[in-house]
Amino acid sequence: DSGVTQTPKHLITATGQRVTLRCSPRSGDLSVYWYQQSLDQGLQFLIHYYNGEERAKGNILERFSAQQFPDLHSELNLSSLELGDSALYFCASSVDGQGKYEQYFGPGTRLTVT
Amino acid sequence: AQKVTQAQTEISVVEKEDVTLDCVYETRDTTYYLFWYKQPPSGELVFLIRRNSFDEQNEISGRYSWNFQKSTSSFNFTITASQVVDSAVYFCALSEALTDSWGKLQFGAGTQVVVTP
Repeated sequence: DSGVTQTPKHLITATGQRVTLRCSPRSGDLSVYWYQQSLDQGLQFLIHYYNGEERAKGNILERFSAQQFPDLHSELNLSSLELGDSALYFCASSVDGQGKYEQYFGPGTRLTVT
Repeated sequence: AQKVTQAQTEISVVEKEDVTLDCVYETRDTTYYLFWYKQPPSGELVFLIRRNSFDEQNEISGRYSWNFQKSTSSFNFTITASQVVDSAVYFCALSEALTDSWGKLQFGAGTQVVVTP
């Protein structure tokens, strides 16, 4: 158990809908990262928050947004869902915001868009 | 451009054989960090090791060992005396110290290791 929690574990929804994925980092970690894993794209970095502030963005679609709250948990919002958004979404946390230290990953949320 | 290359898509071995996973990375940064993660069939990503660019010492942890060579931009991973529980996808990842890349892990495509009894 990495100490990072993600809910829900599975999500099945229809095209055009909006969903919210939730992540709680390990105790003491200030950074939260979101990654998407799909068969065709592999593991892709989406966005990084450090202590409530956005630090870096990857190839995150405009339909996707995220935030980190004062209690350090984070939410990833996916809207106007398309079939191609079906993937495993991971949240990770680390103690720092500079990539020096390892990131611990949550169990992931498997999103299926039908 | 792919920053982390894991050329081996799948490696199949019989239990007790050794297996080496290759990882080649590309960066212009002088300060960077390399990682290996394991993804078993259950799907979670498990951290294995972190190495910074200034530390070229090889590392051994039980049956796992890592060989970091800056001269060839490689960070290879060897499992000695493999076991069925080692069956998983293994990812190599790079984190660069460039400001706009802070914290971003760039993963290779992964190598599937299949260990049969």
